[in-house]
Amino acid sequence: ETGVTQSPTHLIKTRGQQVTLRCSSQSGHNTVSWYQQALGQGPQFIFQYYREEENGRGNFPPRFSGLQFPNYSSELNVNALELDDSALYLCASSLDLSGDTDTQYFGPGTRLTVL
Amino acid sequence: AQSVTQLDSQVPVFEEAPVELRCNYSSSVSVYLFWYVQYPNQGLQLLLKYLSGSTLVKGINGFEAEFNKSQTSFHLRKPSVHISDTAEYFCAVSFSLMDSNYQLIWGAGTKLIIKP
Repeated sequence: ETGVTQSPTHLIKTRGQQVTLRCSSQSGHNTVSWYQQALGQGPQFIFQYYREEENGRGNFPPRFSGLQFPNYSSELNVNALELDDSALYLCASSLDLSGDTDTQYFGPGTRLTVL
Repeated sequence: AQSVTQLDSQVPVFEEAPVELRCNYSSSVSVYLFWYVQYPNQGLQLLLKYLSGSTLVKGINGFEAEFNKSQTSFHLRKPSVHISDTAEYFCAVSFSLMDSNYQLIWGAGTKLIIKP
């Protein structure tokens, strides 16, 4: 049990719709990272937030956006959904920005299916 | 560009036999190395990590890994596997993008299949 929770567990949307995925980090963890894991692949880094500001972004278009709140919760928003957005979305929290030494604790993920 | 390669997509092995899951990376800068395990329908759990010091790292559940800088490898081993080790294993490398901005680059995963 990592203390990181995500909601919902599963979600089905249609192309063009918008979706919001939620993550609750471990208390005291100032950094949250979001990953997309397509079927049969490793996770791909989407972006990272530190103290409510974006602190790095992977190779994802602007229709992927995020928010981090002072209560250690965060959101991943995806606009104009495409079929290829179907994946498991993982959030991971860590204590601080020291990503080299700081373990990331993962939530169980949200499985998004786009039809 | 940095990358992580897990050479085997699946590794079948008999229960109580030893296993090695291979991981190679490419990078021109210092890296930090991780192995995570993902059990069916669960999130990722850290098995072990290499930051510095001894190149042999011991993790949870009897797993260990050895960092080999000259071969840019970080292979995961267990001397005797159990049916409960059935899972997917991911190698990940942390690269520094800038002063305090790190991200994990992941391999595609290796499914460990334990045969009774």
